[in-house]
Amino acid sequence: QSVLTQPPSASGTPGQRITISCSGSSSNIGSNYVYWYQQLPGTAPKLLIYRNNQRPSGVPDRFSGSKSGTSASLAISGLRSEDEADYYCAAWDGSLSAGMFGGGTKLTVL
Amino acid sequence: EVQLVESGGGLVKPGGSLRLSCAASGFTFSTSSMNWVRQAPGKGLEWVSSISGSSSHIYLADSLKGRFSISRDNAKNSLYLQMNSLRGDDTAVYYCARAKENYGDLFDYWGQGILVTVSS
Repeated sequence: QSVLTQPPSASGTPGQRITISCSGSSSNIGSNYVYWYQQLPGTAPKLLIYRNNQRPSGVPDRFSGSKSGTSASLAISGLRSEDEADYYCAAWDGSLSAGMFGGGTKLTVL
Repeated sequence: EVQLVESGGGLVKPGGSLRLSCAASGFTFSTSSMNWVRQAPGKGLEWVSSISGSSSHIYLADSLKGRFSISRDNAKNSLYLQMNSLRGDDTAVYYCARAKENYGDLFDYWGQGILVTVSS
C-alpha cells in the first residue's frame, strides 16, 4: 500500500480535460515538492511536472500540476490518444527520510 | 545530453547477490543526488535508495536495510547498488535516476532500466 494515494484508473475522451489526484500527509506532500511522471508501456518513467507545478522543457502546456495542503493534482487538457499511460505522483517524506510514490493511475483515452 | 545507463542485471538464485551499476554522462555527476527506483512486473514504482553528491547523505528504504546498499564513484561518474540475500520479491526492473541536490527535489532524468530476476 502506497503512502501517496492515487485513483487506480481514470478515463476520458479525446479533447476532454481530466484530473488525477494524489493525497498524502504533512510529512510528504504537505512539506515537500510534488513530482508527476508519465510511463508509457515498456518504457522508463518520464518527468511531467516538477516542484508542484513546473513543466520541463518539451512537456506540452496541456499538462499542469497543482498542490494544496496535503493533496496534489495533475490536469491534462485536450486529451489525446498518446496520453494513454500510467501516471505517478511522488514526493519526499521528511519524517521517513524516504522517497514516496503513489500507486499509479492508468489513464485510458476512450 | 544527460545519459544514465544501467548494467549488471540478470538472473540470480534466491539468496544470491548482484551489483548493479549506472554510468552517467552529460551533467556534473559529483553535485547531483543519485537514486535507485524499482518496478516489479505489473506493479508501480518503488523508491529504493538515494545518495548525495558527496556520499555524505545516504537513504535506503526500510524494507531493504541490511540487504541492499548504495554507493558512488565520482571519479568514474558511476552509481552502484549492491544487493545481497536476494528474494523473489526483489524481481523488478531497476532504474537509476538523477535528482538535483536540493532538499525535496526528486528525479528528473531516468535510465532505461535493467531487469533483475530472482528465481531458482
